[in-house]
Amino acid sequence: AQTVTQSQPEMSVQEAETVTLSCTYDTSENNYYLFWYKQPPSRQMILVIRQEAYKQQNATENRFSVNFQKAAKSFSLKISDSQLGDTAMYFCAFTLNTGNQFYFGTGTSLTVIP
Amino acid sequence: EAGVAQSPRYKIIEKRQSVAFWCNPISGHATLYWYQQILGQGPKLLIQFQNNGVVDDSQLPKDRFSAERLKGVDSTLKIQPAKLEDSAVYLCASSYGITSTDTQYFGPGTRLTVL
Repeated sequence: AQTVTQSQPEMSVQEAETVTLSCTYDTSENNYYLFWYKQPPSRQMILVIRQEAYKQQNATENRFSVNFQKAAKSFSLKISDSQLGDTAMYFCAFTLNTGNQFYFGTGTSLTVIP
Repeated sequence: EAGVAQSPRYKIIEKRQSVAFWCNPISGHATLYWYQQILGQGPKLLIQFQNNGVVDDSQLPKDRFSAERLKGVDSTLKIQPAKLEDSAVYLCASSYGITSTDTQYFGPGTRLTVL
């Protein structure tokens, strides 16, 4: 079975600073996808960034980037130039390349302090 | 483009009662997901449909939960009878592609309280 672990229940960062959210996962499979989803307070969950396991290059989306370490089964999210709108729950997620069995971590609550 | 719609937004029932949730995915999306999100936890996939067929329902408590996706569009999730531990937010999501590797678009959720 696959598992996703987020060891930081809560984090805070000053506006304009950089913060890194941690995620580790466990799988015996070699082909999979990893995601970071954001759930703002009282708003819908949206995709932040995704990474295909076969790609060595780390994914980047504007201020969001990942550090994907396949051997260590680590997938951290870095948010640069933090903005007040980044305040949200962040969930790390995993799915196999076969396209079913989607797993979320327990989430990290991020607060951006003005 | 309209997003994923869910209703009702809130529901309060007594234990052993029945409840149903409705989801209308984004038009043209082949895959539909139902998740259960208990307070303080990440969403747990209950069932995944590809068009109107079930791809994965391994974590659906089939003795009390049932779901269907009519004509590969709308979907309903039913709980009968409800237990206290079913109190959670039920999220519906859809994706354009036929696999869970595609971006999922989430609805606002239905918050269920079982008393």
